[in-house]
Amino acid sequence: AQKITQTQPGMFVQEKEAVTLDCTYDTSDQSYGLFWYKQPSSGEMIFLIYQGSYDEQNATEGRYSLNFQKARKSANLVISASQLGDSAMYFCAMREAYSGGGADGLTFGKGTHLIIQP
Amino acid sequence: GAGVSQSPSNKVTEKGKDVELRCDPISGHTALYWYRQSLGQGLEFLIYFQGNSAPDKSGLPSDRFSAERTGGSVSTLTIQRTQQEDSAVYLCASRRTGQQPQHFGDGTRLSIL
Repeated sequence: AQKITQTQPGMFVQEKEAVTLDCTYDTSDQSYGLFWYKQPSSGEMIFLIYQGSYDEQNATEGRYSLNFQKARKSANLVISASQLGDSAMYFCAMREAYSGGGADGLTFGKGTHLIIQP
Repeated sequence: GAGVSQSPSNKVTEKGKDVELRCDPISGHTALYWYRQSLGQGLEFLIYFQGNSAPDKSGLPSDRFSAERTGGSVSTLTIQRTQQEDSAVYLCASRRTGQQPQHFGDGTRLSIL
């Protein structure tokens, strides 16, 4: 079973609209972290937002917020007031405290290609 | 610079040759990670270092792959006897401690002819 599932391979959104990018995860750990990264066509991976499994509040960073629903194992990224520069690949990732076997690396989803249209 | 630095940015080599990829993490970051990104496999975790130690090497795809880190800083990923399926972008990331996020370099695009 996939540990991180992103069900939207691609999305087209009108500029200034809000966008929700879906992410569900699978883990048996109680302690884990969820991350979203943005990868523009230039290739760099840009950290956007982090949510810890014990955090009671949804994380927010500027126009980005994370809709964390722990019981549903869902960690959707919400981008408010989208801009043309938001066009990129978006990756959801998870860091598990124990099931990672000490590897400590991130497990990534396959990504969502977001295109913002003027 | 303040970010993770990787070199070379591009590498083209013939099948069967050995290659070395270098990563210079952000100063003060104790953890360092290597990932591979390819069209077919997406983003795969390869190995991580805490200081100079690599607790788990099981993510390395074959015994042709090895990595080391010296002085708690620079890391080198070596691929011996390269194969065409090794063609990918190799990304390095570093992290300070705790729940701090990983910060990525721009990657090395490796092409095996």
